[in-house]
Amino acid sequence: AQSVAQPEDQVNVAEGNPLTVKCTYSVSGNPYLFWYVQYPNRGLQFLLKYITGDNLVKGSYGFEAEFNKSQTSFHLKKPSALVSDSALYFCAVRDLGSNTGKLIFGQGTTLQVKP
Amino acid sequence: EPEVTQTPSHQVTQMGQEVILRCVPISNHLYFYWYRQILGQKVEFLVSFYNNEISEKSEIFDDQFSVERPDGSNFTLKIRSTKLEDSAMYFCAIRDIYEQYFGPGTRLTVT
Repeated sequence: AQSVAQPEDQVNVAEGNPLTVKCTYSVSGNPYLFWYVQYPNRGLQFLLKYITGDNLVKGSYGFEAEFNKSQTSFHLKKPSALVSDSALYFCAVRDLGSNTGKLIFGQGTTLQVKP
Repeated sequence: EPEVTQTPSHQVTQMGQEVILRCVPISNHLYFYWYRQILGQKVEFLVSFYNNEISEKSEIFDDQFSVERPDGSNFTLKIRSTKLEDSAMYFCAIRDIYEQYFGPGTRLTVT
């Protein structure tokens, strides 16, 4: 079965420091990977995706993610965190066993950026 | 970025009552999805809808659930007889080639 894991429930970082939110995946085939952010009482906002090509993908709000096939990881990164980045982050993979493109989500990681 | 709206933002209902959650994508798309997020848990797929019919559904999507697109724009999720465990955030999503764009969600509270 295909799955996504986010090993950290919460990540704490000081404003201005680099941040990393981890994600590992398990799929049979070439993965389509996504990161979403959820602010309190809001929907999921698309941040970035990896489909093919360059392993480093850039997305919204200065976020980027690195696809690592050998480690089956897709960690979300930002060089300098902002307090406003504090939110719940979800990694997702497209279910390759589905012909509808449904997404399988990780359990989410709460990012807390302190001033 | 495609825009998706959902109504109501919050619905409180009594157990056994029917609820209808609505989704309105601003632009035309072919694939629609419903997901739900029980408080504190991950987002789970419920059903996908393509070309005006269900294309895939999860085991959560039992006979109590139904979806339709009654007028070619609104996309609805109906729960016929709500249970306490249906309390969750329900998200509608549309697909744009690869990524999906989500609405703001409807918080359903079943008492």
